[in-house]
Amino acid sequence: DIQMTQSPSTLSASVGDRVTITCRASQSITSWLAWYQQKPGVAPNLLIYRTSNLESGVPSRFSGSASGTEFTLTISSLQPDDFATYYCQQYSSFPYTFGQGTKLEIK
Amino acid sequence: EVLLLESGGGLVQPGGSLKLSCAASGFTFTNSAMNWVRQAPGKGLEWVLGISASGAATHYAGSVKGRFTISRDNSKNILYLQMDNLRADDTAVYFCAKARSGDLNLWGQGTLVTVSS
Repeated sequence: DIQMTQSPSTLSASVGDRVTITCRASQSITSWLAWYQQKPGVAPNLLIYRTSNLESGVPSRFSGSASGTEFTLTISSLQPDDFATYYCQQYSSFPYTFGQGTKLEIK
Repeated sequence: EVLLLESGGGLVQPGGSLKLSCAASGFTFTNSAMNWVRQAPGKGLEWVLGISASGAATHYAGSVKGRFTISRDNSKNILYLQMDNLRADDTAVYFCAKARSGDLNLWGQGTLVTVSS
């Protein structure tokens, strides 16, 4: 199985900050990576697919990139609505796997 | 409205069985691969099963292989999850999710399964 190692597990930041979350795959997944946002008590919401493609309706302050097997989610200027937990997911091969999650907290 | 609606969750004893359903509406279900993802209380997301649009291909996480079965009825637009020999560590919210190329672009609200005596 492909392991997805996500970091950090917790991130404290302020409104207006630029933040970066990283996910490393244990082997090549080419560009088959997605990012999700989840708020307490509700289902996850797809933010980015295929490494860098913004899902319809997602604000442009979210972006994704990759270097080899390291993938990055960047929020350019944090808004109050962005404080949530973020997950990466590889869909290069079954079983699909998620990162452990990053909880983004208000500093 | 594009919607996935899970049902069938509840309390079950260890070793017992439960069948979840996920009713789809507002999109072409017969063209969509579908998945089940679960989330244990206070924990992260775990992909557990997937099925192709036709139902011909199924995929399982090792943690549920041999105990859980995914199926679908394309005439009724319903996805199923048959869970047998349930264990305490299967306790979770179970989400059904529609796949695009493997990215999950539509999720249900989830249904809670509690395995306890």
